[in-house]
Amino acid sequence: DVKVTQSSRYLVKRTGEKVFLECVQDMDHENMFWYRQDPGLGLRLIYFSYDVKMKEKGDIPEGYSVSREKKERFSLILESASTNQTSMYLCASSQGAKDYGYTFGSGTRLTVV
Amino acid sequence: QKEVEQNSGPLSVPEGAIASLNCTYSDRVSQSFFWYRQYSGKSPELIMSIYSNGDKEDGRFTAQLNKASQYVSLLIRDSQPSDSATYLCAARGYSSASKIIFGSGTRLSIRP
Repeated sequence: DVKVTQSSRYLVKRTGEKVFLECVQDMDHENMFWYRQDPGLGLRLIYFSYDVKMKEKGDIPEGYSVSREKKERFSLILESASTNQTSMYLCASSQGAKDYGYTFGSGTRLTVV
Repeated sequence: QKEVEQNSGPLSVPEGAIASLNCTYSDRVSQSFFWYRQYSGKSPELIMSIYSNGDKEDGRFTAQLNKASQYVSLLIRDSQPSDSATYLCAARGYSSASKIIFGSGTRLSIRP
């Protein structure tokens, strides 16, 4: 089974801090994604990547950046954390072919105080 | 119209009955559809995918796709309390070959 591992399950950070969320997958998937999930708003796509060093903006990229230096690792960076970035962050990966769904990591619940 | 739409629920079904979850989609998505189950506080888990018109069965789950009417359904037979979760309908978008668009989810509650 594909494993998508997110480095932290719970994280508490202060306003203005730079925050790194790490995601690693072990099945050589080409595609990786970062979502945030908030009650009533569903899953919202922040950034995604089709290949190493490639990235594309999703629906809500403001305040975030990403890094993909290796195929298995996709990092989400909050440049200067704000309280409205308190959320559940979900990483996902998928194969390049169109007919596969995503495999999600277990999520990181980030609280910015 | 949103690309993928679901009734948020909650949908309450007695144990042992058939739970029916529905989803409609717009012309802005392609022909690959997925159902995810998400337990409270957990991440979504892929349970079914369907690409062709008609029914696809996997154990107690049946996914149904009707392209003419642009809807996708998930039927859960012999519902169990462990099926209580939020079910997310998803579809692959046309604009980006690998990006999946998620509905907002339907909360299902199975009452004993």
